[in-house]
Amino acid sequence: QSALTQPASVSGSPGQSITISCTGTSSDVGSYNLVSWYQQHPGKAPKLIIYEVKKRPSGVSDRFSGSKSGNTASLTISGLQTEDEAEYYCCSYAGSSTLVFGGGTKLTVL
Amino acid sequence: QLQLQESGPGLVKPSETLSLACAVSGGSVSTSSFHWGWIRQPPGKGLEWIGTIFYTGNTSYNPSLKSRVTISVDTSKNQFFLRLSSVTAADTAIYYCVTQQLATYYFQYWGQGTLVTVSS
Repeated sequence: QSALTQPASVSGSPGQSITISCTGTSSDVGSYNLVSWYQQHPGKAPKLIIYEVKKRPSGVSDRFSGSKSGNTASLTISGLQTEDEAEYYCCSYAGSSTLVFGGGTKLTVL
Repeated sequence: QLQLQESGPGLVKPSETLSLACAVSGGSVSTSSFHWGWIRQPPGKGLEWIGTIFYTGNTSYNPSLKSRVTISVDTSKNQFFLRLSSVTAADTAIYYCVTQQLATYYFQYWGQGTLVTVSS
């Protein structure tokens, strides 16, 4: 069970859109529509922002959207705001009741 | 709304056993609506799923930690627990307790996290 692959960092300007990729294998991301995304601000616990690839929990802005193609899931944030600057993690079901996280992506809003 | 609060020693010696508790409020650990789990984050690094205890009492653990991990529930205390044996400096991390709703594989509620340092 290897960690999912995310870019170490992405950046964008306020108002722009960015996409963070999360690449796994046919044993995890590719086999299940069970990818979730978490936002973590410094010193805080992670917060669920996307589950089951593209569903948003109540209270999460519709500027956050998720998708998946093959072994790669993606998180898109549109209309970037300064408060979106944070670390983002993907997580996938990997079979046999196990889960695996990505290494995390630091989003900088310039 | 569920609230989770971790507690336990902040310092553990190498080769000893790390033990943490997670107090649940706003709900019952004996409910069939939730599963209970642990996730950790070494300082400055990413998240790692440690394991989950299902409402049935069955458990699932990260294969890389399976030989050293035990997750259990105490319904009388409305708490669940993590034990990690034979710890080394690599186990130094912030430990979060989390919940999964029944038949889901995402973490809806998180505790604030507790830092455990492994050092002599």
